[in-house]
Amino acid sequence: DTAVSQTPKYLVTQMGNDKSIKCEQNLGHDTMYWYKQDSKKFLKIMFSYNNKELIINETVPNRFSPKSPDKAHLNLHINSLELGDSAVYFCASSQERRGGITGELFFGEGSRLTVL
Amino acid sequence: AQSVTQPDIHITVSEGASLELRCNYSYGATPYLFWYVQSPGQGLQLLLKYFSGDTLVQGIKGFEAEFKRSQSSFNLRKPSVHWSDAAEYFCAVGVKYSGGGADGLTFGKGTHLIIQP
Repeated sequence: DTAVSQTPKYLVTQMGNDKSIKCEQNLGHDTMYWYKQDSKKFLKIMFSYNNKELIINETVPNRFSPKSPDKAHLNLHINSLELGDSAVYFCASSQERRGGITGELFFGEGSRLTVL
Repeated sequence: AQSVTQPDIHITVSEGASLELRCNYSYGATPYLFWYVQSPGQGLQLLLKYFSGDTLVQGIKGFEAEFKRSQSSFNLRKPSVHWSDAAEYFCAVGVKYSGGGADGLTFGKGTHLIIQP
């Protein structure tokens, strides 16, 4: 079984559309994340979600909204897609923090979003 | 805020040669330190991690890394590289959740490793 799984793996869509990416983890972790990897491979955190506490990176546009139906799922919904949203989006999860510090992240295989 | 610097964007190494990838971090205390590898079209896989204790850490695939507090470094090494090691390598730090902004790991910009036959 895949520990962290994302769907779809590839997504091609037009500007202005709304799309979602789903993520599920079967590791029993308490915290889940969304990262964005740009064309230069730079990884930047977008959100973390822990026990219904959502922490948002202040640079993320409000067109992006994470939705967590339960502890094992953290979906990413994107409204009014723009060309600059083209990237690979990675979901990740981690165990409860040790002493307030994020431990190891387990990553999904990524979802490549292309906005035309 | 914490930061991670990987000074080498690309490194080319001959197969069988030794490898060292550099990583420096900026943080007021000792962070948790990680090295991840990303093969083309794949997600990130953990190579090794440092939380505390012995500063020389062994990982998977024959990799090791050494934490040097005085230099704020956590360099990755491998004595003899294989063609399958060609990939993107990321150093990351985990710091104490401050209660503001997103936490999680902060990643360096990556080093692209090319293996020459």
